Amino acid sequence: QKEVEQNSGPLSVPEGAIASLNCTYSDRVSQSFFWYRQYSGKSPELIMSIYSNGDKEDGRFTAQLNKASQYVSLLIRDSQPSDSATYLCAVDTSGSARQLTFGSGTQLTVLP
Amino acid sequence: DAGVIQSPRHEVTEMGQEVTLRCKLISGHNSLFWYRQTMMRGLELLIYFNNNVPIDDSGMPEDRFSAKMPNASFSTLKIQPSEPRDSAVYFCASRRGQDNEKLFFGSGTQLSVL
Repeated sequence: QKEVEQNSGPLSVPEGAIASLNCTYSDRVSQSFFWYRQYSGKSPELIMSIYSNGDKEDGRFTAQLNKASQYVSLLIRDSQPSDSATYLCAVDTSGSARQLTFGSGTQLTVLP
Repeated sequence: DAGVIQSPRHEVTEMGQEVTLRCKLISGHNSLFWYRQTMMRGLELLIYFNNNVPIDDSGMPEDRFSAKMPNASFSTLKIQPSEPRDSAVYFCASRRGQDNEKLFFGSGTQLSVL
């Protein structure tokens, strides 16, 4: 079993809708969780980080963390075509924040 | 700030040849990561340096791969001899400090081994 699991998609949503991206992880000692966005042919860029259970909001993005269920999600409200990208979930699986393990990513397409 | 700089952007080589990928860290950053990305395996950590010292190289596939950090701002990843299955995008990333800090990725090197 992979340490960080994501649905590969593709996930398609209409413009203006809420996109919901999910991630599960296997290491119970993980403390730090990140969402990276990667446009086709580009490098990953950090869009959200979350360390405590609950929700964290940043503009149209909301990260949700449930450590008991080993589950982290990313909601994108009012989705725009420019949000079309692959979203990578990253989890620190070494017990410290020194190393990150990435999921395989979910490809999101926002239809105009 | 110029960001993390990788070279070359693209490399096409023949099986058996030596390949050297280069990375320049952001000034002030002291942690350096080499990742490899393929469709099949996603983004995999190959090796991680902190303050020029290799901390974890357990992700390095085999002895054909080696990485060095000769100074605080520069790193190389070498593959010798290269094989077709090494074809991938290789990313270098850096960050300041060790804990909970944002990773900055370079633009990557697209490697094709024929």
